[in-house]
Amino acid sequence: QQQVKQSPQSLIVQKGGISIINCAYENTAFDYFPWYQQFPGKGPALLIAIRPDVSEKKEGRFTISFNKSAKQFSLHIMDSQPGDSATYFCAAKGYPPSGGYNKLIFGAGTRLAVHP
Amino acid sequence: NAGVTQTPKFQVLKTGQSMTLQCAQDMNHEYMSWYRQDPGMGLRLIHYSVGAGITDQGEVPNGYNVSRSTTEDFPLRLLSAAPSQTSVYFCASRPDRNQPQHFGDGTRLSIL
Repeated sequence: QQQVKQSPQSLIVQKGGISIINCAYENTAFDYFPWYQQFPGKGPALLIAIRPDVSEKKEGRFTISFNKSAKQFSLHIMDSQPGDSATYFCAAKGYPPSGGYNKLIFGAGTRLAVHP
Repeated sequence: NAGVTQTPKFQVLKTGQSMTLQCAQDMNHEYMSWYRQDPGMGLRLIHYSVGAGITDQGEVPNGYNVSRSTTEDFPLRLLSAAPSQTSVYFCASRPDRNQPQHFGDGTRLSIL
């Protein structure tokens, strides 16, 4: 059961362009939506996160857009650079309907390549 | 301050062998977790701990054991390795349930 669906699987963008990665979730109890960036041979690192009480959060060139009614959120990378080439994971956290641990559920990941 | 340290970085096992993946953190975090990362599947939670002496199962616990005798260490044991356990394993920690995860750099495990 895939509770967080991420698309696209891979993305190629030219330097200076906008990279957009989308995620959709099912569990309305999710209350925290982070994005992680992972470089080859390294563990994921938190990039930016949002809570459902706001529709947008911006940090530098990275922006999360959040649509609570559609249960969707997306990552926008403005002015994409070759150094942004990495795998990006969206995630969602909240208590499951059946109760228990509020664990982090990850999307499948998007491999971004920014060409110079 | 080393953060989350995982050892070994690479390991090759034969089917049926057992081994322990080590994870240590020096940030005094209460919460620790083990994930496996497989292509096209993101990261899936294997086991987690909310403090020393307390562990519980995640999404994919079968074939793995954990223990948490100290705050710093959270080893993951493969009891009898199977090819399906070929994966990249990540350990993570966080101070409490409302803080983000800090990940180690992973252990790449191949089982022949």
